Amino acid sequence: DAKTTQPNSMESNEEEPVHLPCNHSTISGTDYIHWYRQLPSQGPEYVIHGLTSNVNNRMASLAIAEDRKSSTLILHRATLRDAAVYYCIPGGSQGNLIFGKGTKLSVKP
Amino acid sequence: GAVVSQHPSWVICKSGTSVKIECRSLDFQATTMFWYRQFPKQSLMLMATSNEGSKATYEQGVEKDKFLINHASLTLSTLTVTSAHPEDSSFYICSARDPFRGGPNQETQYFGPGTRLLVL
Repeated sequence: DAKTTQPNSMESNEEEPVHLPCNHSTISGTDYIHWYRQLPSQGPEYVIHGLTSNVNNRMASLAIAEDRKSSTLILHRATLRDAAVYYCIPGGSQGNLIFGKGTKLSVKP
Repeated sequence: GAVVSQHPSWVICKSGTSVKIECRSLDFQATTMFWYRQFPKQSLMLMATSNEGSKATYEQGVEKDKFLINHASLTLSTLTVTSAHPEDSSFYICSARDPFRGGPNQETQYFGPGTRLLVL
């Protein structure tokens, strides 16, 4: 499984964009990059995933580097409800997801 | 979106007793479900992969005789913590994969809300 490196924590102001980086330099060519987030005392929630092209959905955007060794999750306007731990997970060939430590995002009003 | 439920949401039990946790996919059929455990201030740790109609695959270091997994139908997997001890107190989370969403390797999983177990 590919290893990931994410900042332990980040802070953002409410209604400002947030860019959450992730390095996954050992990712294989067929692994998708998944992002999940976990709010306190809840199960993780799917955010977005992509392979090579940048992806957008109602929650966020995912920018994937051309060499696929890194990606950035973009929250366009952070809200207080976006405060969570964000996990970047390269997709495993076994179908499982291996969670790293993630980035704890704090959003200030 | 796909919904996964867990029951109970929390449970307190005495040391030595067994506890069963249910994981259900409510609006899709899940051939594969996963069980995770999360200790305070730590990340999720994958315990086992549960495949409908076959034996679960356990991660290294997880005792299969202590954490019994049954995936008897396409919408239900159960985790039984046998002879629970205080060190088994944790947040147990299941997830399910909808085989009809996404293609190979996309592996989007839908997580339950978790079950908090406290063993006294």
